[in-house]
Amino acid sequence: GAVVSQHPSWVICKSGTSVKIECRSLDFQATTMFWYRQFPKQSLMLMATSNEGSKATYEQGVEKDKFLINHASLTLSTLTVTSAHPEDSSFYICSAAGLVAGEQFFGPGTRLTVL
Amino acid sequence: AQSVTQPDIHITVSEGASLELRCNYSYGATPYLFWYVQSPGQGLQLLLKYFSGDTLVQGIKGFEAEFKRSQSSFNLRKPSVHWSDAAEYFCAVGLFSGGYNKLIFGAGTRLAVHP
Repeated sequence: GAVVSQHPSWVICKSGTSVKIECRSLDFQATTMFWYRQFPKQSLMLMATSNEGSKATYEQGVEKDKFLINHASLTLSTLTVTSAHPEDSSFYICSAAGLVAGEQFFGPGTRLTVL
Repeated sequence: AQSVTQPDIHITVSEGASLELRCNYSYGATPYLFWYVQSPGQGLQLLLKYFSGDTLVQGIKGFEAEFKRSQSSFNLRKPSVHWSDAAEYFCAVGLFSGGYNKLIFGAGTRLAVHP
């Protein structure tokens, strides 16, 4: 149980285009989903928290208009990187909470490369 | 401000040797504490967690950790390391904020295992 998937696992796009990353909880309903960003050989930085049916809460310094988060259902959250630039290249990881109190279950991550 | 410190960026041990990965946290209240492992191409996997109770926590894959409030530490240990334990290890603090648990991660410790 507690499987979280992400799609795609990697994506390459041109500068100026938008990219959508999906995060799904496959076998449980996630009341809250989280989006993290991880630079090479660095730690995970929380970008935003989303609850189903409400607006996401962004961490300080994260651009809301660049990183659009939608949590349309209890099993799906999407992160859209708008007008992507090379500095947005990173490893994006989602997690889902709601199965075990206080615990998050992580997806495998999505590698974004912006050319 | 809440923070997690993992003093060792990189550790190398011989297979069969014992292991201790250090983690110190800064948090005003009793924290929720976690250790995760990240292998290349895989998502973060929870090794163990501490919420309350017995300060010595047993986890998966033969790992254990001890919560020491007086030292603000939650060090991870394993008596005999296997080559498959080579990975990145992250300590994290769970902060209850706005109705959910945010995770603050340490910088990570990369473990290499010599045969």
